[in-house]
Amino acid sequence: DARVTQTPRHKVTEMGQEVTMRCQPILGHNTVFWYRQTMMQGLELLAYFRNRAPLDDSGMPKDRFSAEMPDATLATLKIQPSEPRDSAVYFCASGVDYNEQFFGPGTRLTVL
Amino acid sequence: AQKVTQAQTEISVVEKEDVTLDCVYETRDTTYYLFWYKQPPSGELVFLIRRNSFDEQNEISGRYSWNFQKSTSSFNFTITASQVVDSAVYFCALSPSAGGSYIPTFGRGTSLIVHP
Repeated sequence: DARVTQTPRHKVTEMGQEVTMRCQPILGHNTVFWYRQTMMQGLELLAYFRNRAPLDDSGMPKDRFSAEMPDATLATLKIQPSEPRDSAVYFCASGVDYNEQFFGPGTRLTVL
Repeated sequence: AQKVTQAQTEISVVEKEDVTLDCVYETRDTTYYLFWYKQPPSGELVFLIRRNSFDEQNEISGRYSWNFQKSTSSFNFTITASQVVDSAVYFCALSPSAGGSYIPTFGRGTSLIVHP
């Protein structure tokens, strides 16, 4: 049963530290999405890739966030420096073109 | 621009009641997909259904049914004989099915609480 995996599942860090979140999409999927979920904002799209090319990262604060896909089996989301307002659950999802997305379990980030 | 509205923020029912979650959407695309996802307390969003804008046939899967009405831009989700395990946040989503933009638009979600 193929699944999207995300690491770490939980991360507690101090303000100013770098945070790296990793995602392994489902083999064969060609789209990868990064979302952030908070109670206030709901589900926000941060970035997405198709065939490993970044297509849209307009939802991402550019000064501190970066998303990459170094190969087909790994997508990363980095925050440097982290701030308390970045505390949220970060989801990675993968899919095929316009079809449904399969979500990972999320990374719960707490920035103190 | 796309928009998905789930007007019901929270619904509370007693087990065995039927419940309908509403979803209204806006899009300028002539072809599109509609989706429902479930987010149980464990946190992971789970895909439930995809519907193509060309296909207005209603769909039933066990206790779940979906009513797609293009005339009212709605894609409602009904759970028959609800159970405690149905307690979750349910998201409706919309994406184009052609044209190069793969960005889906999610509603804010409806939290369903089923009491025993």
